[in-house]
Amino acid sequence: EIVMTQSPATLSVSPGERATLSCRASQSVSSNLAWYQQKPGQAPRLLIYGASTRATGIPARFSGSGSGTEFTLTISSLQSEDFAVYYCQQYNNWPLWTFGQGTKVEIK
Amino acid sequence: EVQLVQSGAEVKKPGESLKISCKGSGYSFTSYWIGWVRQMPGKGLEWMGIIYPGDSDTRYSPSFQGQVTISADKSISTAYLQWSSLKASDTAMYYCARRGPVTPIDYWGQGTLVTVSS
Repeated sequence: EIVMTQSPATLSVSPGERATLSCRASQSVSSNLAWYQQKPGQAPRLLIYGASTRATGIPARFSGSGSGTEFTLTISSLQSEDFAVYYCQQYNNWPLWTFGQGTKVEIK
Repeated sequence: EVQLVQSGAEVKKPGESLKISCKGSGYSFTSYWIGWVRQMPGKGLEWMGIIYPGDSDTRYSPSFQGQVTISADKSISTAYLQWSSLKASDTAMYYCARRGPVTPIDYWGQGTLVTVSS
């Protein structure tokens, strides 16, 4: 099983600041990496797939980068609605997809 | 409009059986894989397994193999997740999700909360 490790566990950021979230895979997942946002009481929402492609309707302030084992999600200027938990997911190892443990982005 | 609508919350006792559902609409149900994701209280997302309703090809994550059964009835566009004997540790929110044509997951159900308590 591919283990996905996200850091940090919690990120405290002020509105308008940049947030950088990391995700590391225990072995290469190529570019088969997705990012999801989850708000309390809601299902997750796809933000990024293919490591860097924004999903439909996702604002340009969200960007993804990386390949192989190291990935980054950047939120360029945090808005109030962006405070949430973010998960990475590898889908390279079909059908044994795995999620990271999540990074909570909270208001500083 | 693509929708995945899950069955309502359940409260069960340890040892009881349970089957929850996920009904797809707005697309060809038999043409897309449907997966299940567990989220225990206050915890992260865990991939459980996935089914292709067209031919019922089913794959499980090793952690869930033998613990749950995933099935589908394509005649009513519905996927299922079932337990034969629930444990308190099965208490969680369960989401169904559709594998997209180019994305890993493009649509999610609203979730079904399962509470197992004596």
